[in-house]
Amino acid sequence: EDKVVQSPLSLVVHEGDTVTLNCSYEVTNFRSLLWYKQEKKAPTFLFMLTSSGIEKKSGRLSSILDKKELFSILNITATQTGDSAVYLCAVEKNTGNQFYFGTGTSLTVIP
Amino acid sequence: GAVVSQHPSWVICKSGTSVKIECRSLDFQATTMFWYRQFPKQSLMLMATSNEGSKATYEQGVEKDKFLINHASLTLSTLTVTSAHPEDSSFYICSARLLVQYEQYFGPGTRLTVT
Repeated sequence: EDKVVQSPLSLVVHEGDTVTLNCSYEVTNFRSLLWYKQEKKAPTFLFMLTSSGIEKKSGRLSSILDKKELFSILNITATQTGDSAVYLCAVEKNTGNQFYFGTGTSLTVIP
Repeated sequence: GAVVSQHPSWVICKSGTSVKIECRSLDFQATTMFWYRQFPKQSLMLMATSNEGSKATYEQGVEKDKFLINHASLTLSTLTVTSAHPEDSSFYICSARLLVQYEQYFGPGTRLTVT
C-alpha cells in the first residue's frame, strides 16, 4: 500500500531556531516529491524534488531527496513566526496523476 | 504565480440536497484538475483526477455517482456532491496543473456543511 509518513507530527520552536521536517515514503512508480505550506486554507507550493541528492533552496528553506532511502527533509533556518503552518509532503506517482499526501507537520514558532 | 479560484468558499446545505463546487484556473489552461477532501487536522485525500473533455478518474473508495466531476473546459472543473449527508461535511480543495511536469496550484477550498 502506498503511503507517505511525516515526522514529527508537531513541533514548537523559538524564533531563530532551525528546524528539520522529515518525510518518508513507500510509493511505487515514484515521479516526484513535493513540499507544501498550509496556513489557514489551501496549500502553497514550496518545492518539487525529482532527483536524489540535489538540494533545492528558497530563502531560508531548503529541501533534499534521497531516493535510495526513500525520504526527504525540509529545513527551515532562522525561523520566524510567519513560518508557523502545517507543512505537507506529497508524493506523485507516474501512473496517471496520483498524489499521496502525508498528514503534515504542524510547526509553531513562538517569539 | 498561477491562480486557481473556487466558488463558493463556504456552503451550508440540507441533507438530501445536491451542491455544486466550481474550480477555475484564472490565468492558465489546466489540462488536469484534482479534487481533494480534507478533514480537520488531517491531510489532503485525493478524491479524483479529471482531464479536460474526458471522464474523471476516481480514487479507490470514492463513489463516483455521489461525487460527480465535470471538467468542461481547460479552465473549469466542477464537483457536485449529490444527495449530501452530514458525513460529507468537509473541506474540499481543488488544484490545477498545466502539464505533467509542472506543480499543481491549489484553490482556496470550499467548506461544506451538511445539516
